[in-house]
Amino acid sequence: GAGVSQSPSNKVTEKGKDVELRCDPISGHTALYWYRQSLGQGLEFLIYFQGNSAPDKSGLPSDRFSAERTGGSVSTLTIQRTQQEDSAVYLCASSWTSSEQFFGPGTRLTVL
Amino acid sequence: KNEVEQSPQNLTAQEGEFITINCSYSVGISALHWLQQHPGGGIVSLFMLSSGKKKHGRLIATINIQEKHSSLHITASHPRYSAVYICAGGGGFGNEKLTFGTGTRLTIIP
Repeated sequence: GAGVSQSPSNKVTEKGKDVELRCDPISGHTALYWYRQSLGQGLEFLIYFQGNSAPDKSGLPSDRFSAERTGGSVSTLTIQRTQQEDSAVYLCASSWTSSEQFFGPGTRLTVL
Repeated sequence: KNEVEQSPQNLTAQEGEFITINCSYSVGISALHWLQQHPGGGIVSLFMLSSGKKKHGRLIATINIQEKHSSLHITASHPRYSAVYICAGGGGFGNEKLTFGTGTRLTIIP
């Protein structure tokens, strides 16, 4: 596809359940980023993959959050034992090295 | 820690007015991004700057590296430019994660 895609677009889950969010970056982009935008809040960084380097996980809010990027392409963000404060829009972006970032449409996560 | 401060938080203007949104950033940020977020949430990258000035249509972005300050201008604003504008700072190669400003909600009245 031409842009960054994310799935699902919406996810409603119960507190305590695990969720997986998927990101398909633009083909060939070396960098992939996960960000989060909570209701009424600004955007915050979660995790960053660059090529084959070890990911920068410094933005992950707790050890319930993890992400992987397989084959330098698709990425999955996993949230274990979801809490209500995890409710937010999760955004994925990708880019070439040192270039503008292209954002996906986001996954709106609601934890009941 | 990288920091980005943006102002104003809200801005309402009449169609045709010249608009300026300001962004200040901390040491460690080497690239400044301007993003646009429309109702419905989609985020579009407008500019990425490390020096000088860039222009696209009615949008102009400038950066002053010495003062660590960037501005986004909209010349002859139009209601279609109503959106939230976000500045974000990134580090150099290998450290390109973004630190975001709080956003400016711009409303252009016809």
